[in-house]
Amino acid sequence: DQQVKQNSPSLSVQEGRISILNCDYTNSMFDYFLWYKKYPAEGPTFLISISSIKDKNEDGRFTVFLNKSAKHLSLHIVPSQPGDSAVYFCAAKANTGTASKLTFGTGTRLQVTL
Amino acid sequence: DVKVTQSSRYLVKRTGEKVFLECVQDMDHENMFWYRQDPGLGLRLIYFSYDVKMKEKGDIPEGYSVSREKKERFSLILESASTNQTSMYLCASSFTAEAFFGQGTRLTVV
Repeated sequence: DQQVKQNSPSLSVQEGRISILNCDYTNSMFDYFLWYKKYPAEGPTFLISISSIKDKNEDGRFTVFLNKSAKHLSLHIVPSQPGDSAVYFCAAKANTGTASKLTFGTGTRLQVTL
Repeated sequence: DVKVTQSSRYLVKRTGEKVFLECVQDMDHENMFWYRQDPGLGLRLIYFSYDVKMKEKGDIPEGYSVSREKKERFSLILESASTNQTSMYLCASSFTAEAFFGQGTRLTVV
């Protein structure tokens, strides 16, 4: 059962425009959400996160929005740059258990075109 | 900067071999994880450890085991490699929610 879903496997956006990547989750025990960026043949790198007590977090060109009632979060990248082309993973942490393990979505491949 | 180092970038092993993937972190993190990444499936948790000698199964532990004898080192063991274990393996460590990943090991089982 996929608890974190990224329904768009790919997205193509022109340079300078806004990229919006979406993520849905089903587990109401998730209390912290993260976005990771991954280039081919490299490990994922942390991008931005948001706690469930907030609805927005901003860091430079990156903003994450959380809608708890809809169990939905999104990552906005403005303006998009060619270097943003990568696979983006949404991840969620549940407030249970012995370690802060993350559950990942299937990823969205973003292509920023010139 | 946090550094998570995986011992190999690329590995080719034969079916039935016992395979060891090693991971070392230098930030004294309590938690360490092994994930595999496959196209269309995202990152799936194999095993994790929250302390030395402590381990818990993740979502897909079948065919794998782990060892954590020292805090900084977490090993993934494929007891008898099979072709369906061909994948990208990613090690991570964390203190709180944010996990830091190694560069990955692309394992091919032939």
